[in-house]
Amino acid sequence: NAGVMQNPRHLVRRRGQEARLRCSPMKGHSHVYWYRQLPEEGLKFMVYLQKENIIDESGMPKERFSAEFPKEGPSILRIQQVVRGDSAAYFCASSPSSESTDTQYFGPGTRLTVL
Amino acid sequence: GNSVTQMEGPVTLSEEAFLTINCTYTATGYPSLFWYVQYPGEGLQLLLKATKADDKGSNKGFEATYRKETTSFHLEKGSVQVSDSAVYFCALPRNQGGKLIFGQGTELSVKP
Repeated sequence: NAGVMQNPRHLVRRRGQEARLRCSPMKGHSHVYWYRQLPEEGLKFMVYLQKENIIDESGMPKERFSAEFPKEGPSILRIQQVVRGDSAAYFCASSPSSESTDTQYFGPGTRLTVL
Repeated sequence: GNSVTQMEGPVTLSEEAFLTINCTYTATGYPSLFWYVQYPGEGLQLLLKATKADDKGSNKGFEATYRKETTSFHLEKGSVQVSDSAVYFCALPRNQGGKLIFGQGTELSVKP
């Protein structure tokens, strides 16, 4: 059973470009979470999605960031007009439900560098 | 809302030393509690979890007991190895599940 897949693993963008990060959850999981890890900091929640729905985006910056989880295909985290402060590791996690007892399984992350 | 406070690092130990990383929480009710481990350059892996008070989670020689009296979930290992060098995160879900709230992480370095 393949784990959570993320690609690309490393992404370099220049200021003002767009970054697209992809996440394929574990088989059978319909709940996806995105977290951001800034250098020397812990993980901060960004957004929680189920198929075709955003459930909680309270951690997402109001501008330039968007996320989707279509009926078919991976979840996408999109950052428009990237700035240097967006440089971070972005992790996706998935779970079979939103029960508090459920484990969230994490992908290897996408490390975004903005030049 | 729920929150977690974790012992600051870095922690440096010699091989075979005893490890304790403190984690305390505030929560509504009794949510599940988790320890995740992050090896250099990798994502987070679940290390262990406990789903109710007085439960003990264990894995790879690590243990943590869910103590509601002291609202703690301290991570322990009797004899650490160099391969245990990593960053350890304590976490719990928000009130009704969904997003995880993480501690700030504790970096452990084990020297031979």
